[in-house]
Amino acid sequence: SQKIEQNSEALNIQEGKTATLTCNYTNYSPAYLQWYRQDPGRGPVFLLLIRENEKEKRKERLKVTFDTTLKQSLFHITASQPADSATYLCAPTQGSGSARQLTFGSGTQLTVLP
Amino acid sequence: NAGVTQTPKFQVLKTGQSMTLQCAQDMNHNSMYWYRQDPGMGLRLIYYSASEGTTDKGEVPNGYNVSRLNKREFSLRLESAAPSQTSVYFCASAMVDTQYFGPGTRLTVL
Repeated sequence: SQKIEQNSEALNIQEGKTATLTCNYTNYSPAYLQWYRQDPGRGPVFLLLIRENEKEKRKERLKVTFDTTLKQSLFHITASQPADSATYLCAPTQGSGSARQLTFGSGTQLTVLP
Repeated sequence: NAGVTQTPKFQVLKTGQSMTLQCAQDMNHNSMYWYRQDPGMGLRLIYYSASEGTTDKGEVPNGYNVSRLNKREFSLRLESAAPSQTSVYFCASAMVDTQYFGPGTRLTVL
């Protein structure tokens, strides 16, 4: 069956350091992979999408890599700030159909310590 | 432009009661979705609608029904609530790839 694993439920890092979150998937062949941010008591918010033919994508302090051989995506936040503290969800997405059915990992809770 | 709105924000039901969760979006998106989120389980898809007039089951549809009333609105109904349906429910909409989520409804079934 399809499975998504995100590294450790919780990750604590010091302000200014780079946070690296991992998303591994099995029994999937996603056409692309999305990352979302979720703050307590709120719905997820889209951050980045990376396609299978893209190795890396950047947006401001965020960087995502996608390795279809390893079946893994890495999500980096550089120069982290306390405001980056949130739960981050990955969603490998298979590309068929008019409505994309996303399957989400359970998330990694990131805390950036001042 | 409100995005995706959900009502109510909180609800407490007794076992066996029924209720409908409402969702509306003003982004002219074709697809709409209902998820539930439980601690440690991540978001799980209950039902989705690829376009007005169509609905399909997701991963955990048992105990729920949906209605795609028009392009804007997608409601989720619990006919006979059970304690196992205690959860946070999120509605989302999408044109194709990226999903936009509502603020959620926190439901407790006693």
